[in-house]
Amino acid sequence: GAGVSQSPSNKVTEKGKDVELRCDPISGHTALYWYRQRLGQGLEFLIYFQGNSAPDKSGLPSDRFSAERTGESVSTLTIQRTQQEDSAVYLCASSPSGGATYEQYFGPGTRLTVT
Amino acid sequence: GNSVTQMEGPVTLSEEAFLTINCTYTATGYPSLFWYVQYPGEGLQLLLKATKADDKGSNKGFEATYRKETTSFHLEKGSVQVSDSAVYFCALLGGTSYGKLTFGQGTILTVHP
Repeated sequence: GAGVSQSPSNKVTEKGKDVELRCDPISGHTALYWYRQRLGQGLEFLIYFQGNSAPDKSGLPSDRFSAERTGESVSTLTIQRTQQEDSAVYLCASSPSGGATYEQYFGPGTRLTVT
Repeated sequence: GNSVTQMEGPVTLSEEAFLTINCTYTATGYPSLFWYVQYPGEGLQLLLKATKADDKGSNKGFEATYRKETTSFHLEKGSVQVSDSAVYFCALLGGTSYGKLTFGQGTILTVHP
């Protein structure tokens, strides 16, 4: 079946502009995650959605970052007033449910470059 | 909170050499442990996992054993190939960070013919 998809694959934006990144999880997966991978570093957790529960936003680095999810489908990560330090690959993952035993399936990522 | 410490890289080996990439973790409770791999130009994919102490995960000739007593999950392969060149990430799920993967910083592996 189809995997996790993300769009756009690449985004170049000017400092101060807003950007929206999209994630389509695997159908039927109730859990959805956003991570960030900055150059030469590991992945940092940003936000986690599980079903209709309130999202875990504990990883969002500032109030310029926000994310929404429509039911158990598409999610959008929005970065307002982008800064150069926001340049990274943003990865989305989904899993059948939350918890420690479910594998997370990753999308190909969106490479964001802030100039 | 949870943390993962991974062997510093990059690692450069000749084909057919033995590979070990060290990974240690800090977590409360009983986390699940993972190795993810990112091949050049590709997305992150699960290589292997172990969900409880003494479990051994294995895939594509790679193995890792969940050692609770040493809080380790070292990745090994007996004979690497050029096609194994990639970035390898150790990660844990659970403990105090329910649902969120905590990753190590990644180890770049380059295998020469």
